[in-house]
Amino acid sequence: NAGVTQTPKFQVLKTGQSMTLQCAQDMNHEYMSWYRQDPGMGLRLIHYSVGAGITDQGEVPNGYNVSRSTTEDFPLRLLSAAPSQTSVYFCASRSGFSYEQYFGPGTRLTVT
Amino acid sequence: GQQLNQSPQSMFIQEGEDVSMNCTSSSIFNTWLWYKQDPGEGPVLLIALYKAGELTSNGRLTAQFGITRKDSFLNISASIPSDVGIYFCAGFYSGGSNYKLTFGKGTLLTVNP
Repeated sequence: NAGVTQTPKFQVLKTGQSMTLQCAQDMNHEYMSWYRQDPGMGLRLIHYSVGAGITDQGEVPNGYNVSRSTTEDFPLRLLSAAPSQTSVYFCASRSGFSYEQYFGPGTRLTVT
Repeated sequence: GQQLNQSPQSMFIQEGEDVSMNCTSSSIFNTWLWYKQDPGEGPVLLIALYKAGELTSNGRLTAQFGITRKDSFLNISASIPSDVGIYFCAGFYSGGSNYKLTFGKGTLLTVNP
């Protein structure tokens, strides 16, 4: 049982490039979320999903897309990277029967 | 959205000392969670609280769900160097979305050996 996994661990992009941050969980959790963490700003919700095929926006969704085709995977797409998207990104998941949310190890993204 | 005020923002203590931190809100919360984040890692769930007045321990950590449901407290007893990290409170507030967790800004704990 690996829990929540994220790849890559580190990524450097040039402005305008696109990429996908991968997130997977093996706990059969219905709910999955993406956060970004910036100094002084805490954890901010980007997008979340309450089940396969269902996604919704969080606090800071602009510049990001998500999809949820399976229960296990919840990729985050940056369409055209900007320096303001330099951050640490965390994926999280929880069961629909519990409020206990579990986080992945994070992806540190730098956009130059 | 709802705000969680976490204090103190940072603490610098000597090994062996006890630590207390808290989170407060103007809204009622129905679940409180406490996380620890080590440098370069994701937050790890320490304790979950579900009922007003609940007191729950996890080793040297003890957390309480405030009676008013607007606050929560985390205590660490006999601190050791590996307690260093950022501690976050988080919660789901009553009347809000069932899907979105609200986070405090964190307490940075430094333990001097």
